[in-house]
Amino acid sequence: RKEVEQDPGPFNVPEGATVAFNCTYSNSASQSFFWYRQDCRKEPKLLMSVYSSGNEDGRFTAQLNRASQYISLLIRDSKLSDSATYLCVVSFSGSARQLTFGSGTQLTVLP
Amino acid sequence: EAQVTQNPRYLITVTGKKLTVTCSQNMNHEYMSWYRQDPGLGLRQIYYSMNVEVTDKGDVPEGYKVSRKEKRNFPLILESPSPNQTSLYFCASSSQADTQYFGPGTRLTVL
Repeated sequence: RKEVEQDPGPFNVPEGATVAFNCTYSNSASQSFFWYRQDCRKEPKLLMSVYSSGNEDGRFTAQLNRASQYISLLIRDSKLSDSATYLCVVSFSGSARQLTFGSGTQLTVLP
Repeated sequence: EAQVTQNPRYLITVTGKKLTVTCSQNMNHEYMSWYRQDPGLGLRQIYYSMNVEVTDKGDVPEGYKVSRKEKRNFPLILESPSPNQTSLYFCASSSQADTQYFGPGTRLTVL
């Protein structure tokens, strides 16, 4: 069983749609959680950290459910520029430096 | 401009021919690491370094070596590359509590 699991997709949604991704992690001692974005053949970049109380950044909302060991990312009003692969990332040590990555969920926003 | 650089960006080589992929960061970060990314497997950590002269194995260190003689540089060495090391490689750096910043990636093909 992978330590961090994601639905690989692909998710193909029309512009303006709301789309949600889920991610599960196996280690209940995990301490820090993140969503990274990776454009095709480019390097991953931090999209947002995920806090226990949930957090929002513009059209993006991240939620953490420690009891069920899953993390979610909600994108509202999808834009063409949101097309990318979204990586669920977990730190078991609590440090932002030592990360375990999910294999990613591919999103394509269609005009 | 704060950045992580990697060279070369693309490399095709043959089995057994030693190669080095360089990584350099200009942010004075203590922590650096190397990942490889393969389809369906996500990013997997090869080696990491907490500071100069301090390196440790990640999840998939076999067949790789690293060194950290200077804070800014963290080269990845493949002494005798094999076809199963064909992959996309990313170097990353971070300060103590900060997010990881990734280099642009090196696409390696071993024939």
